[in-house]
Amino acid sequence: NAGVTQTPKFQVLKTGQSMTLQCAQDMNHEYMSWYRQDPGMGLRLIHYSVGAGITDQGEVPNGYNVSRSTTEDFPLRLLSAAPSQTSVYFCASSYSAGHGYTFGSGTRLTVV
Amino acid sequence: DQQVKQNSPSLSVQEGRISILNCDYTNSMFDYFLWYKKYPAEGPTFLISISSIKDKNEDGRFTVFLNKSAKHLSLHIVPSQPGDSAVYFCAASWGAQKLVFGQGTRLTINP
Repeated sequence: NAGVTQTPKFQVLKTGQSMTLQCAQDMNHEYMSWYRQDPGMGLRLIHYSVGAGITDQGEVPNGYNVSRSTTEDFPLRLLSAAPSQTSVYFCASSYSAGHGYTFGSGTRLTVV
Repeated sequence: DQQVKQNSPSLSVQEGRISILNCDYTNSMFDYFLWYKKYPAEGPTFLISISSIKDKNEDGRFTVFLNKSAKHLSLHIVPSQPGDSAVYFCAASWGAQKLVFGQGTRLTINP
């Protein structure tokens, strides 16, 4: 049982480059979310999804796109990377947001 | 606008004593509150939750208290153990959709 799998674990991008952070879960969870963790800021919600084909914005959505074509996958796309997007990104899934989300191990992204 | 706030960035407690972590929130629509624990280089792991219709929930050494009138919740760990040293995040959700987190409190248990 893999849980929530995030790839890659580390990434360095140049300003202006685009990339996709991958997230997959094998628990048949309807709810999936992307967070970024920055020092002193906690975990801030970027985008979330309550099921395949349904996504919505969180607290800090600018510069990021998401789509949810299947229950299992929830990729996060950086359109044009900026140094302000240097962060640790976590993907999470749950059968209900009122219950415990299961988190992936994170992707550490550096934009230079 | 930080809807969930943890005002203590760090807390140091002696092994065997009680650890109390605090969290305040502003949105009265929140209907579920959760605590997560995070070790370095790992994702957060779910610890305990409480529904807004309750004021207390226990799970072993961990107890969460909810004071809706004060918009305040706390996590009590008794007795504290060295393995409890981690960053603790409180979180809240409403409408069973998105989950928002506080800034985190780093708990250090001293032998």
